[in-house]
Amino acid sequence: QVQLVQSGAEVKKPGASVKVSCKASGYTFTSYDINWVRQATGQGLEWMGWMNPNSGNTGYAQKFQGRVTMTRNTSISTAYMELSSLRSEDTAVYYCARGRDGYILGWGQGTLVTVSS
Amino acid sequence: SYVLTQPPSVSVAPGQTARITCGGNNIGSKSVHWYQQKPGQAPVLVVYDDSDRPSGIPERFSGSNSGNTATLTISRVEAGDEADYYCQVWDSSSDHPYVFGTGTKVTVL
Repeated sequence: QVQLVQSGAEVKKPGASVKVSCKASGYTFTSYDINWVRQATGQGLEWMGWMNPNSGNTGYAQKFQGRVTMTRNTSISTAYMELSSLRSEDTAVYYCARGRDGYILGWGQGTLVTVSS
Repeated sequence: SYVLTQPPSVSVAPGQTARITCGGNNIGSKSVHWYQQKPGQAPVLVVYDDSDRPSGIPERFSGSNSGNTATLTISRVEAGDEADYYCQVWDSSSDHPYVFGTGTKVTVL
C-alpha cells in the first residue's frame, strides 16, 4: 500500500537547523509532488512548500523563503525538508504529503520538531 | 493571499446531519477539498474536487460548492466522525497555492 514514512522526533536549540526525511513506498515516487505542511499544537494546517521529485523543482511559501530547502534522493524514494535558523515558533508537527491536481492524496505520520533552549 | 473561513465548531447529535461551511471570495470558481483529522493523527482526504469521494470514504460524506461558500455535509453522524475538518483550495495565482481553511471541530453530542 501507499506509504510515506517520516523520520523521528527532533529537539533543537534556537538557531539550529533540522532535516526531516520522508520515505515513499507503494507508488512511483517521481509521479506525485511532495508537499510539506506543518501544524503547531492546537493550531491549523500551514503549507510550507512543494517539490517535484522528478525534476527537483521546488516552490516555497514566502514565509519560509530563505529558511527552507526541499530536496530528494530518487534512488531511495526519499524526500527531505530542512529548516534553518529555528526559533521557538517553529515548534510543530511537520508532515510530508503526496499531492497532485491541487490536493493532497496522502500524508506521512508527522514528525514533531521541538525548538527549545 | 486567498483566505478560507470556517466556523470554529459544530455540534451534532448522533444520527443527525452536520454541515461545515468554508467561505472564500468566489470559492465556487475553485475546486474545494476536505480533510478529516482526528486527535494525534495525520489528516485524511474525505472529499476532493468539491464533491468526489476517495475510495473507502463512506457515502455519508458529501460536498457542494457555489458562490462564496463550500459545504461539507456529514449525514447520519456517528461518534467516529468527531474530528477537525479542514477545507483547502489551490490558488494558482499565489506563491502560497495550497490554502487551508481555519478548521472546524465537529463534536458529536
